[in-house]
Parts: sequence; structure tokens; C-alpha cells
Amino acid sequence: GQQLNQSPQSMFIQEGEDVSMNCTSSSIFNTWLWYKQDPGEGPVLLIALYKAGELTSNGRLTAQFGITRKDSFLNISASIPSDVGIYFCAGLLIQGAQKLVFGQGTRLTINP
Amino acid sequence: NAGVTQTPKFQVLKTGQSMTLQCAQDMNHEYMSWYRQDPGMGLRLIHYSVGAGITDQGEVPNGYNVSRSTTEDFPLRLLSAAPSQTSVYFCASSPEWDRRQETQYFGPGTRLLVL
Repeated sequence: GQQLNQSPQSMFIQEGEDVSMNCTSSSIFNTWLWYKQDPGEGPVLLIALYKAGELTSNGRLTAQFGITRKDSFLNISASIPSDVGIYFCAGLLIQGAQKLVFGQGTRLTINP
Repeated sequence: NAGVTQTPKFQVLKTGQSMTLQCAQDMNHEYMSWYRQDPGMGLRLIHYSVGAGITDQGEVPNGYNVSRSTTEDFPLRLLSAAPSQTSVYFCASSPEWDRRQETQYFGPGTRLLVL
């Protein structure tokens, strides 16, 4: 079945540093989504990408849909303590029924 | 709006016990779904519903039943709990059929431990 490889699995950074994480797959996706999950909460959508090569920003967050449609990355600039959490990528396949495939998550820890 | 609510927040079961995880949304969303989240893995779809009276299986449906008698409620039933069902369960709903996957609102989750 389709799988997403998300890396890194965890990150320990200092406040103010930039963060970069990515997802890769052997499958081609129609849409890439990036979510953030706070402790004890459900995932919340951060950014949605719909076209190959698309670069989209949401405040300090920037995400790109890879040209090959098999990968995506998320950057966070000038990290702050509230950025702590788990970030998930998800790829959407549309082959008859829609199928959303999630990455394993990147756990971000920030040292003040 | 309360959004998507889930009860209980945490539950401990013994192997073989049954229970129902409750999910409700007050946003009049037609599409609702259940996911499980396991360590080191992404969310996986268990069951979903495109409207009252209509349900279908997702990626990992075995051991779970669902029903959708109203638009608001989408309970998930474990008929005979197994340790492999220890997980965090998320319910989600979406207002748009065409973009139902990327417009999902997730509930806060139910942590289930099966001993």
C-alpha cells in the first residue's frame, strides 16, 4: 500500500531557530496536507497544497508541493515555544475513492 | 459551536470487554470518520460515513463497528476488545463532500488501553 516517510522523527531545537521537515513517497499524490497536533488534542490543518511546485505560506510556516508530486516539505521560521507539538504530513490520493495517507509525524521540542 | 466532541477522554478495558466510543458534531457535517493513531505511525482510517444511514470501511476496519442514525452522532463500537486495539482514537467531520479529506475537523481523541 501507499506509505509516506516523514523525517526527521523528532527535533530538538533552540527558540528562534528555523525548522525543516519533509515527507517522501513512492506514490504520486494529488494533494499534500500539513497538520499540527498539540498534546491531548486532535490534528489541526496548517497548510494544504494542490499543485506540483506550489509554495504556500501561513505566517511563519512555508510548505511546498514537490515537482514530482511524490514529496513535500514544511519549514518553520524563527521558532517560538508554541510551535512545540507533532507535525504530520498527509497525501491525498484520488483513485476512485479518496484516500488520505498520513506520515509518521515529526515531534518538535523547543528549548527556550 | 462545540465542534467535534469525543467521550470518554480515556478508557481502560480488559480483553474481551465491549465498549462504545462516542463522537458528536454540531456543525451539520455530512461526512464523519474514525481514525486510530499508534506510536510511530500516522493516522489510519477505520470507518467513515457520508451521511445518516450510510457507512463504509476504511483501511483498518476489523474489530470495529459503526452506525450513523443521525447526522450529529457517529459512535464506534468495539465488540470484543483486544490489546492490539490499544490506541488513540480520533473522530473527524467535514462540511464539504468534494474536499472532505482536507477540510476535516478532528476531535480531541479518546485514549484506549486494553489489558
